[in-house]
Amino acid sequence: DAGVTQSPTHLIKTRGQQVTLRCSPKSGHDTVSWYQQALGQGPQFIFQYYEEEERQRGNFPDRFSGHQFPNYSSELNVNALLLGDSALYLCASSLGSGTGGVYGYTFGSGTRLTVV
Amino acid sequence: KNEVEQSPQNLTAQEGEFITINCSYSVGISALHWLQQHPGGGIVSLFMLSSGKKKHGRLIATINIQEKHSSLHITASHPRDSAVYICAVTDSWGKLQFGAGTQVVVTP
Repeated sequence: DAGVTQSPTHLIKTRGQQVTLRCSPKSGHDTVSWYQQALGQGPQFIFQYYEEEERQRGNFPDRFSGHQFPNYSSELNVNALLLGDSALYLCASSLGSGTGGVYGYTFGSGTRLTVV
Repeated sequence: KNEVEQSPQNLTAQEGEFITINCSYSVGISALHWLQQHPGGGIVSLFMLSSGKKKHGRLIATINIQEKHSSLHITASHPRDSAVYICAVTDSWGKLQFGAGTQVVVTP
């Protein structure tokens, strides 16, 4: 049973460029959450997708956007990249929006984004 | 101020020692999670707690809902336990809020 798959694993982009990160949830999960983890810090919540809609959003600018597809996979898009966007981007899947506390989360290995 | 605080930030132990990591939170939660993150970045869920105590192998997690406090204990620590341990809480919407993590190094 595949867990959460994220791609690519590593990425280098130039300031001002745009990037798209991808996440396939664990089989049977329908909710995808994205997190940004700067070096030496805990992850910060970006947003959560359920039923192809953004259900919750953390304190991130509109440059960060996302999408969820009918097969529950998700994309995170970041426009106009800044040096400060360099981080590990983690995806976590769960069952049912708002129920992650009951059924738990499965995390991907992350995408390491470096902006130069 | 972070709503999930962990201590210590860093911890070094010798193989065989008993390790405790503490977590305090200031928000209402539906569950508390203990997670393990290795240098590659991937996160593994160790425990999900809403009350009491759970044990898995050499790992024990406890939570006191009234005091908004949880502890993760590692008994008979081993070098392979070296990792970052993260406390996270789930709010009523299923949003995770994370602590900053505790870097644990176990030396032979």
